[in-house]
Amino acid sequence: EADIYQTPRYLVIGTGKKITLECSQTMGHDKMYWYQQDPGMELHLIHYSYGVNSTEKGDLSSESTVSRIRTEHFPLTLESARPSHTSQYLCASNPEGQGYNEQFFGPGTRLTVL
Amino acid sequence: RKEVEQDPGPFNVPEGATVAFNCTYSNSASQSFFWYRQDCRKEPKLLMSVYSSGNEDGRFTAQLNRASQYISLLIRDSKLSDSATYLCAAQISGGSYIPTFGRGTSLIVHP
Repeated sequence: EADIYQTPRYLVIGTGKKITLECSQTMGHDKMYWYQQDPGMELHLIHYSYGVNSTEKGDLSSESTVSRIRTEHFPLTLESARPSHTSQYLCASNPEGQGYNEQFFGPGTRLTVL
Repeated sequence: RKEVEQDPGPFNVPEGATVAFNCTYSNSASQSFFWYRQDCRKEPKLLMSVYSSGNEDGRFTAQLNRASQYISLLIRDSKLSDSATYLCAAQISGGSYIPTFGRGTSLIVHP
């Protein structure tokens, strides 16, 4: 089993609230990612990080921010949640370097914005 | 054109059947390839990495065709428990590169 954790697992909130989704991994991986995925649909990359103090925007990042102060921690913040943010959010990590560096995914946070 | 393309299916097959999925990639610099399995409302989990010579793990066989830029996944003797979505991913190894995922192929194995 991968050592990557996400909290909360489920969240229901009202429009306009600020929320932070937590992601932690204990594998010492440098690269971390956030994806958004609607049921039956593809993964959309929101943000990623190569390591501490590195953050990059993906395809779907305009309404969220991330930080990477520690290797193991990569939180995602929505400043003002909207119903269109209702989705599953998946965090992933993989090690740096050559070779077959598959991604390890957390269990996801299922977000509902009313 | 998307970088990684898959037929979304669903592929509907009876138990015991052999089924194959293809996944095409557009970036010829891709070097690492993966098949992930994703159950409904769960996270993707690695099924197989795809090596240049192809590899086999029990009932599952993955192949890479660099000339035509596709990878394939063959499942023999399908089980009901194989029902899931199968995602492929391609990546340029190392450095600043990140993997690109296809949208997945849905497999339904029925009795």
